[in-house]
Amino acid sequence: GAGVSQSPSNKVTEKGKDVELRCDPISGHTALYWYRQSLGQGLEFLIYFQGNSAPDKSGLPSDRFSAERTGGSVSTLTIQRTQQEDSAVYLCASSRDRSQETQYFGPGTRLLVL
Amino acid sequence: EDQVTQSPEALRLQEGESSSLNCSYTVSGLRGLFWYRQDPGKGPEFLFTLYSAGEEKEKERLKATLTKKESFLHITAPKPEDSATYLCAVGSGGSNYKLTFGKGTLLTVNP
Repeated sequence: GAGVSQSPSNKVTEKGKDVELRCDPISGHTALYWYRQSLGQGLEFLIYFQGNSAPDKSGLPSDRFSAERTGGSVSTLTIQRTQQEDSAVYLCASSRDRSQETQYFGPGTRLLVL
Repeated sequence: EDQVTQSPEALRLQEGESSSLNCSYTVSGLRGLFWYRQDPGKGPEFLFTLYSAGEEKEKERLKATLTKKESFLHITAPKPEDSATYLCAVGSGGSNYKLTFGKGTLLTVNP
């Protein structure tokens, strides 16, 4: 596609449920990134993929968070046993490669945990 | 640890009233400074990348400049459609993929 796409655009869930967020990067981009944007806070780095591997998972806030990428394209961020503090906008970005190329962002998934 | 501070937090201008937004940074080996624009309910939209002190880039009414400690986003004769949150981010030699973002400046341009 022309840009990074994410789904769903909005997700409301109950505390304790699992959620899956999906990201489709720009075609041909090998690097993919997940960030979280909480109200009044800057974007917070979560995880980075080069191809299908994730060299750095240090930004994931807890072991309830996991992510995978298959076929060097689509990525899924999974949050298990959601908590209210997980409510935020989850943004995905992609770049041509890992060398600090400009990152292009998707529209985000707005997650609300009740 | 890389740090980015943006000021002011919010700026209200009249249409045509030029001004500047500031982005101060501390980083271990700057690999790039990035400006993004974010509209409500949308993802950040890329504006500029600056790589070295003295570099300048322009796009329509926006001009970004870079020194060794800060970057400025100059807005000349703004229009209401320039209203948005402007985000600054740095990439550093300590991490050749992760961007560190400031909290942004919310710009409102009144007609």
